[in-house]
Amino acid sequence: GQSLEQPSEVTAVEGAIVQINCTYQTSGFYGLSWYQQHDGGAPTFLSYNGLDGLEETGRFSSFLSRSDSYGYLLLQELQMKDSASYFCAVRGRDDKIIFGKGTRLHILP
Amino acid sequence: KAGVTQTPRYLIKTRGQQVTLSCSPISGHRSVSWYQQTPGQGLQFLFEYFSETQRNKGNFPGRFSGRQFSNSRSEMNVSTLELGDSALYLCASSPSSGRQETQYFGPGTRLLVL
Repeated sequence: GQSLEQPSEVTAVEGAIVQINCTYQTSGFYGLSWYQQHDGGAPTFLSYNGLDGLEETGRFSSFLSRSDSYGYLLLQELQMKDSASYFCAVRGRDDKIIFGKGTRLHILP
Repeated sequence: KAGVTQTPRYLIKTRGQQVTLSCSPISGHRSVSWYQQTPGQGLQFLFEYFSETQRNKGNFPGRFSGRQFSNSRSEMNVSTLELGDSALYLCASSPSSGRQETQYFGPGTRLLVL
């Protein structure tokens, strides 16, 4: 089967750095994406890793290691508005898109 | 450009009824995907359409169906509604169906089945 595992909740302090991990098991693999979803809102795209390594977009970075079937999203200089759910997603060989169940990020002042 | 729009935003139905949800993608986007989001199961892929053809289908019963029109607008239909169909139904569009395409999500239709 195909699955993605990510922690259900993470708590961090405003101004700090937090890492949200994602491990995947898929038949075939075409890249790892990250999405952010605020309560009551729609998921919005954050980043995509097609190749191993780090991708940086402002305060957000994402990392992929295909040999370890592992990736993470790194959020720096946390702000209260970053409180949201974060989903990793992959497209497998059958071209179906699979999302992780999401990590709820709580930020403390 | 206007974003992805979905109608209606909220819907209440009773068991056994059927429902049709509508999605208008971003102008120029030809791929539309549908997802069901529930607290317990997260985001689950329903189907993907590209140029009026269903490219892929998730593991949902045949009560769930969809279609895409020539203007890329899409509809999904759920027949014989069950209580477990209560969920947020999200539509996402992308320019094409390429594997690296970013998905742009609409606000969703929240369906409550009583």
